[in-house]
Amino acid sequence: DTGVSQDPRHKITKRGQNVTFRCDPISEHNRLYWYRQTLGQGPEFLTYFQNEAQLEKSRLLSDRFSAERPKGSFSTLEIQRTEQGDSAMYLCASSLTLGLAGYEQYFGPGTRLTVT
Amino acid sequence: LAKTTQPISMDSYEGQEVNITCSHNNIATNDYITWYQQFPSQGPRFIIQGYKTKVTNEVASLFIPADRKSSTLSLPRVSLSDTAVYYCLVGDRNTPLVFGKGTRLSVIA
Repeated sequence: DTGVSQDPRHKITKRGQNVTFRCDPISEHNRLYWYRQTLGQGPEFLTYFQNEAQLEKSRLLSDRFSAERPKGSFSTLEIQRTEQGDSAMYLCASSLTLGLAGYEQYFGPGTRLTVT
Repeated sequence: LAKTTQPISMDSYEGQEVNITCSHNNIATNDYITWYQQFPSQGPRFIIQGYKTKVTNEVASLFIPADRKSSTLSLPRVSLSDTAVYYCLVGDRNTPLVFGKGTRLSVIA
């Protein structure tokens, strides 16, 4: 178990550019989540997948945001035409839904995006 | 989704026991209570989860009264490395996590 990994850890981009982040979940975890966190706030849910199916999207996920999880393994989050308001830490988490237990999500270290 | 209310900040000296209480008056029958810890520039880390009564692991204890409208995270003998933000969350396995602002715990030497 190597944990959830995210790449890159830091990204600086100019307004209007597109960026793509990658998340590799813990192997065999069937759920994968994306969150966004700004300074002083708790993480905000963006979207999540169960295997390759995208089950829910937050209203925060505007049409400039798109996420994929091909083959139910790694996931990518793309932001098109970035705006300064997109500057935040983007966190990925994964979990295994099994039996009657409550959920427990394992978070990656995050990708810090700065839009200049 | 059940909303949670917890103190914005707390201070404690090293070696003391710290109790952080969270209110969740409209918790649903299927909801669990989960606590996460977050250090600066890191993703949150799961601490403990419970449904009712008391749960204890190697890191913390979670006390939940019978009405489940509140819960208390207890950290025994805190050290400087326990300085972090602690989040209380309520939800079921099919509900995405809803984080509030959490409680910023500062441990003082």
